[in-house]
Amino acid sequence: RKEVEQDPGPFNVPEGATVAFNCTYSNSASQSFFWYRQDCRKEPKLLMSVYSSGNEDGRFTAQLNRASQYISLLIRDSKLSDSATYLCVVNGNSNSGYALNFGKGTSLLVTP
Amino acid sequence: EAQVTQNPRYLITVTGKKLTVTCSQNMNHEYMSWYRQDPGLGLRQIYYSMNVEVTDKGDVPEGYKVSRKEKRNFPLILESPSPNQTSLYFCASSFSRLAGVGEQYFGPGTRLTVT
Repeated sequence: RKEVEQDPGPFNVPEGATVAFNCTYSNSASQSFFWYRQDCRKEPKLLMSVYSSGNEDGRFTAQLNRASQYISLLIRDSKLSDSATYLCVVNGNSNSGYALNFGKGTSLLVTP
Repeated sequence: EAQVTQNPRYLITVTGKKLTVTCSQNMNHEYMSWYRQDPGLGLRQIYYSMNVEVTDKGDVPEGYKVSRKEKRNFPLILESPSPNQTSLYFCASSFSRLAGVGEQYFGPGTRLTVT
């Protein structure tokens, strides 16, 4: 089983829609979780960290469910500029906890 | 400006010709890492370094070497490149925290083609 799994999509949604992505991870000892955004042929950039209590940043909400080992990202009122690939990132299972595992990404296309 | 720089940005080389991709960060980050990104496989970690003189293997270290002699630099060395190392390479850095690695800052990427 891969460390981090995401639905690759693509998710095609109209402007203004709400869209949710899920990500599952296999290592129950993981402690750090993130969502990154990657535009085509560009470097990944941090979108938001995911905290145990859940966190919100404008139109974006991240949730962590440790019992079920999944992370979610909710985007409300989608904009054309939200079109990108969204990467789920979990710290890995090395003894130090410093190895990071990336999901393959979920592709989002927001259409007019 | 806080940033991670990589050089070269694009490189075409031949099998077996040693090459080095440089990575430098100006944010005084302890943690640095190299990734490769391939279609359908996503980002995979090659090597990472928790601090100067401390390096560790990621998921796909075969065929690569790294060194961390200074905090700001983390070069990636391909002693004898092969065509299966054709890929998009990213360097990243972050602070280290008790719970693991913090938010990572990525360089712009190096597109390597090995013929």
